[in-house]
Amino acid sequence: EADIYQTPRYLVIGTGKKITLECSQTMGHDKMYWYQQDPGMELHLIHYSYGVNSTEKGDLSSESTVSRIRTEHFPLTLESARPSHTSQYLCASSDARDPTGELFFGEGSRLTVL
Amino acid sequence: GDSVTQMEGPVTLSEEAFLTINCTYTATGYPSLFWYVQYPGEGLQLLLKATKADDKGSNKGFEATYRKETTSFHLEKGSVQVSDSAVYFCALRGGSTLGRLYFGRGTQLTVWP
Repeated sequence: EADIYQTPRYLVIGTGKKITLECSQTMGHDKMYWYQQDPGMELHLIHYSYGVNSTEKGDLSSESTVSRIRTEHFPLTLESARPSHTSQYLCASSDARDPTGELFFGEGSRLTVL
Repeated sequence: GDSVTQMEGPVTLSEEAFLTINCTYTATGYPSLFWYVQYPGEGLQLLLKATKADDKGSNKGFEATYRKETTSFHLEKGSVQVSDSAVYFCALRGGSTLGRLYFGRGTQLTVWP
């Protein structure tokens, strides 16, 4: 069983609001990732981190920001939500010591911006 | 660069039918290959993986063989069930990707009773 948790699971919010999606893992993994999943199911990497105080932007440009102050915690923030941010956001982690690179996923946060 | 090409869906089958979802890849070095499954309203779960050529990953009746000569990792199941209805993602971790996984676009499978 993977121990990676995302909150909230569902969020409906108005335009202009600030939101933070939480992601925590209890496996001690150094590597963490945020993916955005569009309605066509495709996954887009938007942020990743290889350790505390390390964050990088992914393949898809995103207006969101992330932080990694603690190993187990990797929150994603939108300062001013817009309808174009409506999507499913998936957090994942992996063990740097695992040569296969297997990812463990949270259950996702579905964001709807009105 | 590293990439995965996955059979487009949707795929619709009757219960007990045979399933194949094609996946081919491009990668430098010797990638690890994965199939992930996403059930409705959930995140992705690892279904199976293979780490070297000719390895066969298997789980829950699903199988996939790492074919280096054809750069393929096709997913198969001999007899699908309604509960197999989900989205399936092929993925690879190449040697030069610093641990990142590259995903295919996903294949929606629906199984009817």
